[in-house]
Amino acid sequence: QVQLQESGPGLVKPSETLSLTCIVSGGSITDHYWNWIRQPPGKGLEWIGYVYDSGSTKYHPSLKSRVIISLDKARDQFSLKVNSVTAADTAVYYCARGVVGGEFDLWGRGTLVSVSS
Amino acid sequence: QSVLTQPPSVSAAPGQKVTISCSGSSSNIGSKAVCWYQQLPGTAPQLLIYDNNKRPSGIPDRFSASKSGTSATLGISGLQTGDEADYYCATWDTSLSAGVFGGGTKLTVL
Repeated sequence: QVQLQESGPGLVKPSETLSLTCIVSGGSITDHYWNWIRQPPGKGLEWIGYVYDSGSTKYHPSLKSRVIISLDKARDQFSLKVNSVTAADTAVYYCARGVVGGEFDLWGRGTLVSVSS
Repeated sequence: QSVLTQPPSVSAAPGQKVTISCSGSSSNIGSKAVCWYQQLPGTAPQLLIYDNNKRPSGIPDRFSASKSGTSATLGISGLQTGDEADYYCATWDTSLSAGVFGGGTKLTVL
């Protein structure tokens, strides 16, 4: 059974880079869209972007200038980097598997990242 | 402000039926499939409905959904206290070229 697990620092200083990794276990990392989605405390879900099996990426326009999502097939994981973070980037970050129809059929448990000095 | 509009909250008694609306535009719901997610308190979202009205394996048929034009609706019948959660609609927006979510609807089972 495929599982996703986020990992990374829970605290990042303002203006620095937020880095998270999602490990895909129990299945192949090929043939899917690998997404990052975040949820600020007490608020709704926001799609950040995806990396596809081929390595191609797509990002939300509001974050595009600050975000990089990459895929490491050899290690069955994909990563998120958000640079120049502010308090507004404080959120629970989820990794999620996307399928051709567009839905996210598998989610990680999420990891809280706080931006504070 | 979310691209997709949902009511902030809905409520109903156990055993009753409730519907949650999701309103969009021609660049999202009007041209793309809609899915719905259930987020129980303190947990990650779970796929509830995909491709407008299809249920993944394991989702009971108490959950149903439909789409018409630029709006979609989630229905939950035979409400149980365990259905108390936040519900989100989602789709792709061709103008933004981005995934979009509704603001979420909190369901209270009275």
